[in-house]
Amino acid sequence: QKEVEQDPGPLSVPEGAIVSLNCTYSNSAFQYFMWYRQYSRKGPELLMYTYSSGNKEDGRFTAQVDKSSKYISLFIRDSQPSDSATYLCPRDGSSASKIIFGSGTRLSIRP
Amino acid sequence: GAVVSQHPSRVICKSGTSVKIECRSLDFQATTMFWYRQFPKQSLMLMATSNEGSKATYEQGVEKDKFLINHASLTLSTLTVTSAHPEDSSFYICSARDQASGSEETQYFGPGTRLLVL
Repeated sequence: QKEVEQDPGPLSVPEGAIVSLNCTYSNSAFQYFMWYRQYSRKGPELLMYTYSSGNKEDGRFTAQVDKSSKYISLFIRDSQPSDSATYLCPRDGSSASKIIFGSGTRLSIRP
Repeated sequence: GAVVSQHPSRVICKSGTSVKIECRSLDFQATTMFWYRQFPKQSLMLMATSNEGSKATYEQGVEKDKFLINHASLTLSTLTVTSAHPEDSSFYICSARDQASGSEETQYFGPGTRLLVL
């Protein structure tokens, strides 16, 4: 079983829609939760991170963590074509602070 | 946010030659940097952890003699692909951990280097 599961998509929604991206994880020891965005042929960009359960908001983006369910989500409000990218919820690493990436979810926002 | 640069952004070389890729943290110091490889439509695969002043730690299956890593200063790590072959053609991305950020997990990624071996 993979430690982090994420639907690879592709997910296609119309511009302006609310997007919900989800990940589930199996290791209850995870303490740190991140969302990265990667545009085609670019390096990943850290969007948000949080240590705790609950919501964290940054502009149009909201990260939600439910540690009891081992479920993390990223919501994008008023989605824009520029949000089209692959969204990654990597698992944190061990003491070496490694970040391990899964396949991510490919998101496409239709104008 | 912190900036990480890579050079070159793109390189084409002949099979059998060696290629060096630089990763620099521009406005912060990084005792630890990471090297990833990404094939088309696949996820980033961690290759190795680069430690300033000591030997790199390689992930299982990554040949340390083929992918030489040098982290000689707090702002520079280099990855040398030795005797490159067409199967080494990939997108190489580095990341650096900002040791002063207060968050050990905060890593910033470079823009990547696209390597094509003919």
